[in-house]
Amino acid sequence: QQQVKQSPQSLIVQKGGISIINCAYENTAFDYFPWYQQFPGKGPALLIAIRPDVSEKKEGRFTISFNKSAKQFSLHIMDSQPGDSATYFCAARPYISNFGNEKLTFGTGTRLTIIP
Amino acid sequence: DAGVIQSPRHEVTEMGQEVTLRCKPISGHNSLFWYRQTMMRGLELLIYFNNNVPIDDSGMPEDRFSAKMPNASFSTLKIQPSEPRDSAVYFCASSFFGGYSNQPQHFGDGTRLSIL
Repeated sequence: QQQVKQSPQSLIVQKGGISIINCAYENTAFDYFPWYQQFPGKGPALLIAIRPDVSEKKEGRFTISFNKSAKQFSLHIMDSQPGDSATYFCAARPYISNFGNEKLTFGTGTRLTIIP
Repeated sequence: DAGVIQSPRHEVTEMGQEVTLRCKPISGHNSLFWYRQTMMRGLELLIYFNNNVPIDDSGMPEDRFSAKMPNASFSTLKIQPSEPRDSAVYFCASSFFGGYSNQPQHFGDGTRLSIL
């Protein structure tokens, strides 16, 4: 019940296209859904995050779409650029009411390659 | 601002040796997380601390692994004795927890550990 399932495992998109990565979860206690971006040799870095009280959040070319009833959320990268080539992780965390709930459950990652 | 600092960046050692990984969290952060990343298992949380106290160590694989946080600015992850299957990239992350909060976790650049 703690899993977050991420797909696809890898994705190749042409420059200027839309990259879409999907995640699904089971635990209805999850209350916070961040996406992390990781470049080779670096640690993951927070890209964008959403809470379930909204269905969409946009920051620049990056958008999270959230479907609470389906327990799914996705990352859309508009006008994808070669610099977006990285590994993307979705994650989820329950409502933080005490110190015990800070754990993030990560998806398995998607390696995104943007080709010219 | 300095981010999370991990040392060493790379460690190569022989099976059976003791390995110590070090982490300096971001100043002011009160939660610290140790993760392990492998191709097979993805990003796994090993242990996390809040205010220097271990909160959840359920991800620590076995007794060969131990973690300490003697003060707010330093933590170690120790493996003794090390085995080839411990080869992975180990990340440290920190965040600020102040009650209900969606403060993101900030990751270091990791320690790439190879056990021969």
